[in-house]
Order: sequence, then structure tokens, then C-alpha cells
Amino acid sequence: GQQVMQIPQYQHVQEGEDFTTYCNSSTTLSNIQWYKQRPGGHPVFLIQLVKSGEVKKQKRLTFQFGEAKKNSSLHITATQTTDVGTYFCAGPRGSGNTGKLIFGQGTTLQVKP
Amino acid sequence: ETGVTQSPTHLIKTRGQQVTLRCSSQSGHNTVSWYQQALGQGPQFIFQYYREEENGRGNFPPRFSGLQFPNYSSELNVNALELDDSALYLCASSPDRGNTFFGQGTRLTVV
Repeated sequence: GQQVMQIPQYQHVQEGEDFTTYCNSSTTLSNIQWYKQRPGGHPVFLIQLVKSGEVKKQKRLTFQFGEAKKNSSLHITATQTTDVGTYFCAGPRGSGNTGKLIFGQGTTLQVKP
Repeated sequence: ETGVTQSPTHLIKTRGQQVTLRCSSQSGHNTVSWYQQALGQGPQFIFQYYREEENGRGNFPPRFSGLQFPNYSSELNVNALELDDSALYLCASSPDRGNTFFGQGTRLTVV
């Protein structure tokens, strides 16, 4: 069945270092979404990418959608302690109806001050 | 912060019991989806309701059922609770076209 995989599962960095998480789908996606979940919290929507090869930036965060629309990445430049949390990518299940998502297992980021 | 509210926030139930979780969707959102998130895992899609009708279901047994009301609020019911049902249950609402917003979740513990 359809699968979304993320690597790495965990990443520990020193504050100021960069961080990247990678997301791979077994199927072509109409879009990819990224969420951040703080410890004890709920997933919070960060961004949606739709176009092949799309790159979007939010301050220190850079999101990419692969040319084949089967992979994506999130890169954080110069991490801060506020970046701590688990980052999930998610794609539409099947034909891509709103809200029916398949999530990766997440990458948990720890930042040492 | 998102306008999606869930109740209760925490719940402890005994194996074999039944539970009802509630969700009020964000104003203007006619679609509600429910997810189960086990510890250390990503959210798993349970089902979705669109204008009071079930609109897709994930790989969950029939003892997981739901409802959506005319005001688009929703309930998730789980019968014959099992220990493995212990998880964070997330409600997410979305408009016809647009992004998905999650509530804060209900943490269910089955003992």
C-alpha cells in the first residue's frame, strides 16, 4: 500500500548547526505538507508544496518538493532551541481529497544550547 | 489557536469499555478527519466526515465509528476498548479547498 517514509528518525544538533529531514513517498503525490509537533502538543501545519521542483522558504526553514513529486525535504539553517520538536511530512491518501493524509513517522529534532 | 477544539483532553478507560470523543471544527470547515497517534509514531488516518457522511476510512476495525452533526462538529466512538487503543486521538478540520488544522487532541489511556 501507499507509504511515506522519513529519515532520520532522530537528530541531535548543537544550537546553530543546520538540520535536514527527508521524506519519500511510494507514490506520486499531488502535494506534500509539513507539520511540526512540539513535545506534548499536536501537529501544527507549516506549509504545503504543490508544484514539481517547488522550493519555499519560511525564515530559516527551506522546503523542497522533488521533480518527480515523490520526495521532499525540510532544511533548517542555524537551529535554535525553539526548533525542538518532531517534524512530519504528509501526503494525500489515494486521489488526494482534503484532510485524508498519510504521514511519515516523523523526525524528532533535539537542539543542545 | 486553530479553532479546532476537542474534549476531553485526557481520559482513562478500562479495557472493554466504550468511549466517545468530541470535536468542534473550525468555523466554515465542513470536513472533519480523525487520526490516531500512538507514542513515537505519526498520526494514522481513521476516517473522514464530509457534510455528515463518512467520506473515506483507514485501516481501523468497525468498533471505531463516528458521526458528524449539522454544525459540522463530530464524535469518534470506540467500542470494546483494547490496551492498544491507548493513544492521542486527533481531530482535524478543513474547508472544501484549503489546509488541514488539528485540534490539541484527546489522550486516551486504556488500562
